[in-house]
Amino acid sequence: EAQVTQNPRYLITVTGKKLTVTCSQNMNHEYMSWYRQDPGLGLRQIYYSMNVEVTDKGDVPEGYKVSRKEKRNFPLILESPSPNQTSLYFCASSLSLGLAGSDTQYFGPGTRLTVL
Amino acid sequence: GQQLNQSPQSMFIQEGEDVSMNCTSSSIFNTWLWYKQDPGEGPVLLIALYKAGELTSNGRLTAQFGITRKDSFLNISASIPSDVGIYFCAGLNAGNNRKLIWGLGTSLAVNP
Repeated sequence: EAQVTQNPRYLITVTGKKLTVTCSQNMNHEYMSWYRQDPGLGLRQIYYSMNVEVTDKGDVPEGYKVSRKEKRNFPLILESPSPNQTSLYFCASSLSLGLAGSDTQYFGPGTRLTVL
Repeated sequence: GQQLNQSPQSMFIQEGEDVSMNCTSSSIFNTWLWYKQDPGEGPVLLIALYKAGELTSNGRLTAQFGITRKDSFLNISASIPSDVGIYFCAGLNAGNNRKLIWGLGTSLAVNP
């Protein structure tokens, strides 16, 4: 089954304790992206990756890191989480970005993060 | 970052009613996408539009790519309780700097 998986689905942590949220897709997609969703603010892009070893900042990259060592995986790293990073996080992937029909983004189920 | 103007922000309707929501932008887009997010899940694509003026249907849903390429609307006919959720529009901008721009969403509640 074609899908985007994220782990963990729920996480409660404390300020400053490094964490990683994993994202994996099995569709051989080139483009992957991380979003955070907060009430009233919609989906805001954190980082994206056009292909392996190619990553770039989205609209709200501060406090986050990503890596794209393999095509299927795109982990989100919070080196020193803070309470303002409490949010619902989504990973998404698409075949590419910009080619008609190939830019449909498939979303993971979400990771609800609480930083105390 | 750049965002689309999506309206209305929320709607509360009776089952069986038709629904209309739209997105506008000051920029030209090459692609318009409409997503639905069910409670507790990630967004799922409903309709994709690739040409100005294009009108596309998916069951009770109909979406159009505006002629000016700066707007799009989504209509839902004869709403049912499972239509509840948040509807997002997203546009892919023209030019070399490809970026998917998102609306803030329309929250739909349907009263059975």
